[in-house]
Amino acid sequence: DAGVIQSPRHEVTEMGQEVTLRCKPISGHDYLFWYRQTMMRGLELLIYFNNNVPIDDSGMPEDRFSAKMPNASFSTLKIQPSEPRDSAVYFCASSATGTGVQPQHFGDGTRLSIL
Amino acid sequence: SQKIEQNSEALNIQEGKTATLTCNYTNYSPAYLQWYRQDPGRGPVFLLLIRENEKEKRKERLKVTFDTTLKQSLFHITASQPADSATYLCALDRGSTLGRLYFGRGTQLTVWP
Repeated sequence: DAGVIQSPRHEVTEMGQEVTLRCKPISGHDYLFWYRQTMMRGLELLIYFNNNVPIDDSGMPEDRFSAKMPNASFSTLKIQPSEPRDSAVYFCASSATGTGVQPQHFGDGTRLSIL
Repeated sequence: SQKIEQNSEALNIQEGKTATLTCNYTNYSPAYLQWYRQDPGRGPVFLLLIRENEKEKRKERLKVTFDTTLKQSLFHITASQPADSATYLCALDRGSTLGRLYFGRGTQLTVWP
């Protein structure tokens, strides 16, 4: 079975550039989560969707970050303009339900470096 | 907000011993608690889930306990192997339908031969 697919795996860009991260959740999953992981702060939830609708975006750091889910099989996380402090590993995860009963399935992440 | 503490950032044990990792939480009583494994360069992978009305759950060499009075979960790996070396994360929810999981910082386990 195909898991959660993220692209690109690595992204290196200069400060001020627009960055777009992509995610394809597991088919049939109706929840999608975007996380950021750093050594300092661990795994932080940025935003999550239920049936393509954003439910909680309180973890989005600031207005430079935006996320969309135009359909059940695709989501993007965009940073514009990017800053060096945005450097981190960004994970996308999906789950079959929104409760704690079902596990979250993670992609292998996008390692983002902003120079 | 929910605060989750995992006992230490790193744990080193000898092969064959039992590894015990701790997850403590405050402020809320979760309905479910989950444990994940994360290898370098990979996303977290689900291992076990335990409900608040369960005291213990086992899966092969893994055992998880959940003490809602102490607000603590223990994760045990028996007969540990070098292949068990990874970072282990605990995560919990608030028992609501909001779907959010709160993750601990993780404990990096190293099993040496």
